[in-house]
Amino acid sequence: DSGVTQTPKHLITATGQRVTLRCSPRSGDLSVYWYQQSLDQGLQFLIQYYNGEERAKGNILERFSAQQFPDLHSELNLSSLELGDSALYFCASSLHWTDNQPQHFGDGTRLSIL
Amino acid sequence: GQQVMQIPQYQHVQEGEDFTTYCNSSTTLSNIQWYKQRPGGHPVFLIQLVKSGEVKKQKRLTFQFGEAKKNSSLHITATQTTDVGTYFCAGPTARGSARQLTFGSGTQLTVLP
Repeated sequence: DSGVTQTPKHLITATGQRVTLRCSPRSGDLSVYWYQQSLDQGLQFLIQYYNGEERAKGNILERFSAQQFPDLHSELNLSSLELGDSALYFCASSLHWTDNQPQHFGDGTRLSIL
Repeated sequence: GQQVMQIPQYQHVQEGEDFTTYCNSSTTLSNIQWYKQRPGGHPVFLIQLVKSGEVKKQKRLTFQFGEAKKNSSLHITATQTTDVGTYFCAGPTARGSARQLTFGSGTQLTVLP
């Protein structure tokens, strides 16, 4: 058990809809990362937050947004969903924001767009 | 842009055979991390290498960081069925003013009993 909690585990919705994925980091970790993993694809970094502030941005679409709340949990909002957004979305956390921190991953949210 | 490349993409071995996956970066890395993702699971941190030429061992797993800090390898001796999964390397790359981990595409290891 990594200590990172993601909800929901599965999400099925239709094109054009909007969903929110939730992540609670490991106790004591201040940094949260979001990744997208499509079938046969590697881990694509989306965005990082540290102590409530956006720290780094990756290949995140404009239809996607995220935030980290004062209690350090984070939410990833995906809107105007397309078939290609079907993927496994992972949240990870680390103690600090620097790039030498081991990241601890949650179990992921599997998003299916019909 | 900066890339972290990993080969091979797939590897099938008989149980008991050795396995190696290679990671190459287009730029010098300050550190490199390795993760394992079991089928249906999430990536799990294995190790981090920081020093040029560093070698670290975890039981049957040997991790190396190249002298130029642009490549790394993971070698598994005498594979077991529990080694099945996808192995990712990850190195810091610049994203605007910040640096973040870029994951390689992974090597999916299948161990045949």
